[in-house]
Amino acid sequence: DQQVKQNSPSLSVQEGRISILNCDYTNSMFDYFLWYKKYPAEGPTFLISISSIKDKNEDGRFTVFLNKSAKHLSLHIVPSQPGDSAVYFCAASASPGTGANNLFFGTGTRLTVIP
Amino acid sequence: EAQVTQNPRYLITVTGKKLTVTCSQNMNHEYMSWYRQDPGLGLRQIYYSMNVEVTDKGDVPEGYKVSRKEKRNFPLILESPSPNQTSLYFCASSRSKNEKLFFGSGTQLSVL
Repeated sequence: DQQVKQNSPSLSVQEGRISILNCDYTNSMFDYFLWYKKYPAEGPTFLISISSIKDKNEDGRFTVFLNKSAKHLSLHIVPSQPGDSAVYFCAASASPGTGANNLFFGTGTRLTVIP
Repeated sequence: EAQVTQNPRYLITVTGKKLTVTCSQNMNHEYMSWYRQDPGLGLRQIYYSMNVEVTDKGDVPEGYKVSRKEKRNFPLILESPSPNQTSLYFCASSRSKNEKLFFGSGTQLSVL
């Protein structure tokens, strides 16, 4: 059963506009969330993370929002650039001592930014 | 340059022929793990290692073995590969479990 879900397999956005990628999780023990970006023929690379004690984390054009009550997080990219075209994976983990040792990944959302 | 190196990039083999995919990191990371990526399933963890001689199963460990004899190396071993192990494999490392992972470039394995 998928504990981290990305329900949109793909998203197309015009250059300069906002891209919003969504992620839902089911395990209330998750307390650390990350976004990774993956280009073809390369491994995923870390983009941004957020701890459950925060509801927002910003890094340049990238902002991650966390809504713990809804078990939902989103990644906002503003403004979107053609170089942002990639597959984005959401991931979640639980702290040591909770019995979970894995980093659980979603299925990914392919973002295409149209010039 | 800090990196995770896995080899080979591409591998075609036949059912039952033992193979090893190597993984090495030069960042002195304690935590290493293996993932497989399949369409519609995302990245699923196979095995992970918290340190030398400490390994544990992830989500999908069946049919795989690992070893961590040195801090920098974490090979993935398929003793008797089967077609359902055809997948894209990624090795990753991090300073500790909850820190960002650095991924290798991937190994595309086809088992005929």
